[in-house]
Amino acid sequence: SQELEQSPQSLIVQEGKNLTINCTSSKTLYGLYWYKQKYGEGLIFLMMLQKGGEEKSHEKITAKLDEKKQQSSLHITASQPSHAGIYLCGAALGRAQKLVFGQGTRLTINP
Amino acid sequence: GAVVSQHPSWVICKSGTSVKIECRSLDFQATTMFWYRQFPKQSLMLMATSNEGSKATYEQGVEKDKFLINHASLTLSTLTVTSAHPEDSSFYICSARDKGRGNTEAFFGQGTRLTVV
Repeated sequence: SQELEQSPQSLIVQEGKNLTINCTSSKTLYGLYWYKQKYGEGLIFLMMLQKGGEEKSHEKITAKLDEKKQQSSLHITASQPSHAGIYLCGAALGRAQKLVFGQGTRLTINP
Repeated sequence: GAVVSQHPSWVICKSGTSVKIECRSLDFQATTMFWYRQFPKQSLMLMATSNEGSKATYEQGVEKDKFLINHASLTLSTLTVTSAHPEDSSFYICSARDKGRGNTEAFFGQGTRLTVV
């Protein structure tokens, strides 16, 4: 079973449009991470959220953690070709705080 | 920012041989490191949690005798793929948390692309 459900799994948007990616857990999240990756390369850290209701922004990317701390959304405003890639949400679970990931969202930006 | 160095970045080996991948935290101490593998168009699958000075904790379905993990110091963890087979070909990536910062971001290595021929 997937501990983190990410949606959509694939997303194609027109350059300049806004988009949202969601990450849902059946358990309370104590640390929610968002990363970007191009396949076969390392992960680029985007943001970490810990508190319910927390919202962070970096350039045109905003991430929120809902009050119940079981869902997070990543929002990109006015998308650009440089935003294309795979977006992964990760969460620290259990006493060992092992970091597990959702299935990923493959984002394509069309000119 | 903190840096995790993974080596090699790619390796090709013959079927039946063993391959060692190193993961080093360059400017911080990491009591815990994580090893993942990633197949094409798929997400990262956690293989094991590597704890400094103790045995690694393997995820269900991961063969501990095939994927040997050694975390001998606070800055180095190694993953050895023993008796490699073509189905072991994948992208392997490690991550580490900074011991001094508590539960903060996990830093990732650049990954290792393993091809077994």
